[in-house]
Amino acid sequence: EIVLTQSPATLSLSPGERATLSCGASQSVSSSYLAWYQQKPGLAPRLLIYDASSRATGIPDRFSGSGSGTDFTLTISRLEPEDFAVYYCQQYGSSPWTFGQGTKVEIK
Amino acid sequence: QVQLVQSGSELKKPGASVKVSCKASGYTFTSYAMNWVRQAPGQGLEWMGWINTNTGNPTYAQGFTGRFVFSLDTSVSTAYLQISSLKAEDTAVYYCARDGATGELVYWGQGTLVTVSS
Repeated sequence: EIVLTQSPATLSLSPGERATLSCGASQSVSSSYLAWYQQKPGLAPRLLIYDASSRATGIPDRFSGSGSGTDFTLTISRLEPEDFAVYYCQQYGSSPWTFGQGTKVEIK
Repeated sequence: QVQLVQSGSELKKPGASVKVSCKASGYTFTSYAMNWVRQAPGQGLEWMGWINTNTGNPTYAQGFTGRFVFSLDTSVSTAYLQISSLKAEDTAVYYCARDGATGELVYWGQGTLVTVSS
């Protein structure tokens, strides 16, 4: 199974700053089948990015994804107040699908 | 619009069983697979597996074999997760999630909290 490791565990930033979240895979993710999700307390996760770099419907363009192979990045260009949440990466290139442990983006 | 509506919270005793439902609307139910994801209190997301809504064939992740069963009723566009012989460590929010074109989890139910306590 592919193990995904997210870093950092917590990111403390101010609104307006740039956030860079990393997701490393224990082996290459097939076809860059990697997604990013945002989760706020008490709510279901929301798909942000799929296929490593494609934005899901309705997702603002301040969110962008990049990477391939074993190294992937989610960038939030300028943090808005509603962006403070937990972010998960997930690979769906090799069964079983797996999630990273999450990165919490908190207000500094 | 696509919606996945799950059944309500459950409180069960150890050893009991529970069946969580996920009713889909806004698309052709048999055209997309349905996944199940577990989230224990304060923890991350854990993929449990998926069910082919066309054939009914389930696939379970390691750790979710034996006591966990995915099923369907295509006549009412509903997927089910049944957990038997419940243990305290099964306490979690369970989500159904519909996949997209390549396997990403595009649409999610609101989650069902299952609490196992004596």
